[in-house]
This record gives sequence, C-alpha cells and structure tokens, in this order.
Amino acid sequence: SQQGEEDPQALSIQEGENATMNCSYKTSINNLQWYRQNSGRGLVHLILIRSNEREKHSGRLRVTLDTSKKSSSLLITASRAADTASYFCATDAYYGNNRLAFGKGNQVVVIP
Amino acid sequence: DTEVTQTPKHLVMGMTNKKSLKCEQHMGHRAMYWYKQKAKKPPELMFVYSYEKLSINESVPSRFSPECPNSSLLNLHLHALQPEDSALYLCASSQYFRDYNSPLHFGNGTRLTVT
Repeated sequence: SQQGEEDPQALSIQEGENATMNCSYKTSINNLQWYRQNSGRGLVHLILIRSNEREKHSGRLRVTLDTSKKSSSLLITASRAADTASYFCATDAYYGNNRLAFGKGNQVVVIP
Repeated sequence: DTEVTQTPKHLVMGMTNKKSLKCEQHMGHRAMYWYKQKAKKPPELMFVYSYEKLSINESVPSRFSPECPNSSLLNLHLHALQPEDSALYLCASSQYFRDYNSPLHFGNGTRLTVT
C-alpha cells in the first residue's frame, strides 16, 4: 500500500541553523502533507503541497516536491529550541484507498 | 491549544476493566478518526467515521469498540485489553472524509497503559 517514508534521521542542530528532512513515497499522489509532533502531544499540521506544485513556503518552512523522484523535503530555517519535535510526512495516494499514509518520522533536536 | 479535545489525558487499566476514551470537536468537521501510536512510530489508523457512520475499520480487534453519538463526539470503548495495547490513542477530525485537501486536526491523545 502507499506509504510516505522519510529517510530515517535523527537530526541534532544548534539553534539558528537550518534543518532539512526528506520523505519518499511509492505511488502517484494527490498531495503530500507535513505534520509536527512535540513529545507526548498530538500531531500538528504544518503544510500541504499538491502534486502540481513544486515548492511551497509557510513562515520559516519550505517544502519541495519532486513527483518524478517521488520525494519531498522539508526545510526549517533559523531553527529554534521550540522546533524540537518529530516530523512526519503523509501522502494521499492518487489511486488510493482513502487512507492518509504516514511516514516513519524524523526526530529533530534543536540545541539552544 | 488543540481544537480537538481528548479525555482522559492518561489512563491506566487492568486487563479486565472497561473504560472509554472521549473526543470532542466543535469545528463542524464531518469526519473523525481514531489512531493508535506506539513510541517512535507513526500513527496507525484504527477507525474513520464520516457523517457519524463508520466508514473504515482497519481490522481492529473487537476489544476496541468505537462510537460516534453525534457529529461532535467520538468515543472509543475499551474492554479486556492486552498489555500490548498500551499506546498513545489519538483522535483527529477533518472537514470531510476522502478530502485530503483538508488536513487532519489532532487532539493531544490519551496515554493508555494496560497492566
């Protein structure tokens, strides 16, 4: 079944640096979303990029989508300690089964 | 703060107990979801309700019983659980089901421990 899969990463960066994480998936999609999860909390939607879009910005977030490579990246610029969280991509398959498929997640630690 | 409210935040129950998890949203969303999440793993879909009707049951064991009394409320009734059912249970809602242009709004979850 369709599933977004991030490269398994645990990033540890200094405050003020940029953090980049990747997501790959297997089949054609309608859109791809990124969610953040702080420890012990629910997921928070960050950004949605449609399959006909290549790049999208929201505040300090920049998402790219390469449908030819079936991959996406999330860049967080000028990171803050509050950005410490797990980040999940989620895909909605074009010929899907009405399930939003979550990737494995990336753990990001921003050191003050 | 999240717009999806889940209670209780923490729950410890024995394997013979019966308990319920509750979820409430007042955003007018017509789709509501239960997810189960183990540590360091992504959420796993359990159930989806659309317009208060069960649309998806991901072959969840019958010891988990969902209920959607109205468009704002979602319950998960628990009975005779196993220790491996210990996890974070997340409720989510979205404007509509099968419309992933509307993102999911998650509650902060119930941390369930089965002893």
